Amino acid sequence: ETGVTQSPTHLIKTRGQQVTLRCSSQSGHNTVSWYQQALGQGPQFIFQYYREEENGRGNFPPRFSGLQFPNYSSELNVNALELDDSALYLCASSLNWGDTEAFFGQGTRLTVV
Amino acid sequence: AQSVSQHNHHVILSEAASLELGCNYSYGGTVNLFWYVQYPGQHLQLLLKYFSGDPLVKGIKGFEAEFIKSKFSFNLRKPSVQWSDTAEYFCAVNRKNAGNMLTFGGGTRLMVKP
Repeated sequence: ETGVTQSPTHLIKTRGQQVTLRCSSQSGHNTVSWYQQALGQGPQFIFQYYREEENGRGNFPPRFSGLQFPNYSSELNVNALELDDSALYLCASSLNWGDTEAFFGQGTRLTVV
Repeated sequence: AQSVSQHNHHVILSEAASLELGCNYSYGGTVNLFWYVQYPGQHLQLLLKYFSGDPLVKGIKGFEAEFIKSKFSFNLRKPSVQWSDTAEYFCAVNRKNAGNMLTFGGGTRLMVKP
């Protein structure tokens, strides 16, 4: 167990809908990153939050947005869902913004139909 | 932008065989390097990491990796695999002093036959 928890574990949504995924970071960690892992591929970086501010973003459209709360937990929001958004969404927390390792949660499996 | 290539997508070995999984990255600056493992139904776990110092890094469960800067490589090795090593292995890199934003390779699925 890493101490990073994500909810829900599975989710089915219809194309065009909106979804919110949640992540509780490991105790003491102030940096949270989100990744999308499509079937058979490696995780792809979506964005990172450090002390409630987004400070890095991958190649994802603006309909992917997020929040980090004062307790460092985080949300990933995806609007106007597309079939290609079906994937495992991973949250990772780190002790700090710098050169430290990332601890991953179990992920949320999102299926868009 | 950096990228990571893992050359072997699927590897099948018998127990006690030696393992080497290739990983190459493309980035001209200074990097941190990682190997993660994903056992079936479990979360990504860190096997080992390289930040600086000795380029031969030892990780958990008998795994090691060697950073060869001139070859932009960070290959994972284990002298003798076990059935319980069946999993998917991911190499990842991030730029030093630039946050923890990881770029992952496509993964190598390892199957160890008992």
